[in-house]
Amino acid sequence: EVQLVESGGGLVQPGGSLRLSCGASGFTVSSNYMSWVRQAPGKGLEWVSVIYSGGSTYYADSVKGRFTISRDNSKNTVSLQMNSLRTEDTAVYYCVGAYSSSWNLYWGQGTLVTVSS
Amino acid sequence: NFMLTQPHSVSESPGKTVTISCTGSSGSIASNYVQWFQQRPGSAPTTVIYEHNQRPSGVPDRFSGSIDSSSNSASLTISGLKTEDEADYYCQSYDSSNWVFGGGTKLTVL
Repeated sequence: EVQLVESGGGLVQPGGSLRLSCGASGFTVSSNYMSWVRQAPGKGLEWVSVIYSGGSTYYADSVKGRFTISRDNSKNTVSLQMNSLRTEDTAVYYCVGAYSSSWNLYWGQGTLVTVSS
Repeated sequence: NFMLTQPHSVSESPGKTVTISCTGSSGSIASNYVQWFQQRPGSAPTTVIYEHNQRPSGVPDRFSGSIDSSSNSASLTISGLKTEDEADYYCQSYDSSNWVFGGGTKLTVL
């Protein structure tokens, strides 16, 4: 059974930084693909970033240059480094994973990031 | 930029069938796989349909997905509606390297 567990959310001031992590079980991060999807309070889902098994990374325009996705194969985790945070980055961040060549996505329970002074 | 458009809300009675549409703004929606996610209040999303019409294990066959190239739309159909189906539903696809979500549809079962 695939399980994804996010951590690292919290309250941060505008302009600050935060690092989210996602631990995977029943699933090998390095040989599949992982993504981050966020949901602002009362709003819909918004894709943030993805890292593929070959290491390619992609970002939504709204976070490009501020967020960095990475993975630690030894720990079987994926991370999202978030810099220059803005109030509009406030959201629940979900870790999402799928087996390579499949779009059957597995979702974590999410971690709340609040950007406020 | 590629967009997916869904109705804001739909409602239907228990036992009936409902269809939620997801219309692509450009290109051919059939060319890239469409997924559907269910999100109950206070919970994380779960996948109910992937790759246009595939169901993950554990998802009842009351849920089905289809593509209509003539209207450039994908559809999620739920038959034999149950009160537990009341949730927000999102379609998702991709455009080159970017993932795209529809705005979501609130399904009310009353």
